[in-house]
Amino acid sequence: QKEVEQNSGPLSVPEGAIASLNCTYSDRGSQSFFWYRQYSGKSPELIMFIYSNGDKEDGRFTAQLNKASQYVSLLIRDSQPSDSATYLCAVKRARGSTLGRLYFGRGTQLTVWP
Amino acid sequence: NAGVTQTPKFRILKIGQSMTLQCAQDMNHNYMYWYRQDPGMGLKLIYYSVGAGITDKGEVPNGYNVSRSTTEDFPLRLELAAPSQTSVYFCASTQGLAGDPGLTDTQYFGPGTRLTVL
Repeated sequence: QKEVEQNSGPLSVPEGAIASLNCTYSDRGSQSFFWYRQYSGKSPELIMFIYSNGDKEDGRFTAQLNKASQYVSLLIRDSQPSDSATYLCAVKRARGSTLGRLYFGRGTQLTVWP
Repeated sequence: NAGVTQTPKFRILKIGQSMTLQCAQDMNHNYMYWYRQDPGMGLKLIYYSVGAGITDKGEVPNGYNVSRSTTEDFPLRLELAAPSQTSVYFCASTQGLAGDPGLTDTQYFGPGTRLTVL
């Protein structure tokens, strides 16, 4: 079983719609969860992180975490063509045990069409 | 601040050649990482370092070596390049609290090095 799994997509949504990106993880000891955005040919950049169950909102982005189901998601409201990118889910295990190491999913490719 | 810088941006190697990928950060971060990313795949950890003089293996260390003589620099050495090492290589760094990266410690990535081995 892979550490972190994401639907590879591609996911295609119209401009203005809500894009929903999903991620599951295998280690119940995981404590913090990160969403990175990666444009083609560029390096990953952090969108947001979450470590408590529930929702966390930052502008048009909302991260949702359900530790019981080992599930984390990212919602993008009012999607824009500039949101077209690959979204990487990353998981950090228990504090101190793996020295900050992140486990990455394969990423979900999102296309927002005008 | 320049953040995390990597050189070169692109490189083509012949099988059996060696090279060093350079990585530097000017944020005084304690922790540094090397990842590789193959097409359509996530990032795989090659090596990481928690401070000058301290390094350790990640998921895919075979064929690579690292050193960390200063806080700023973390070069990755490829010995005897093979086609399987064709990939994009990213260096990253994070502040790390004293001896322990925090729950929400963000990793900052360099622009990457695209390596092709023919």
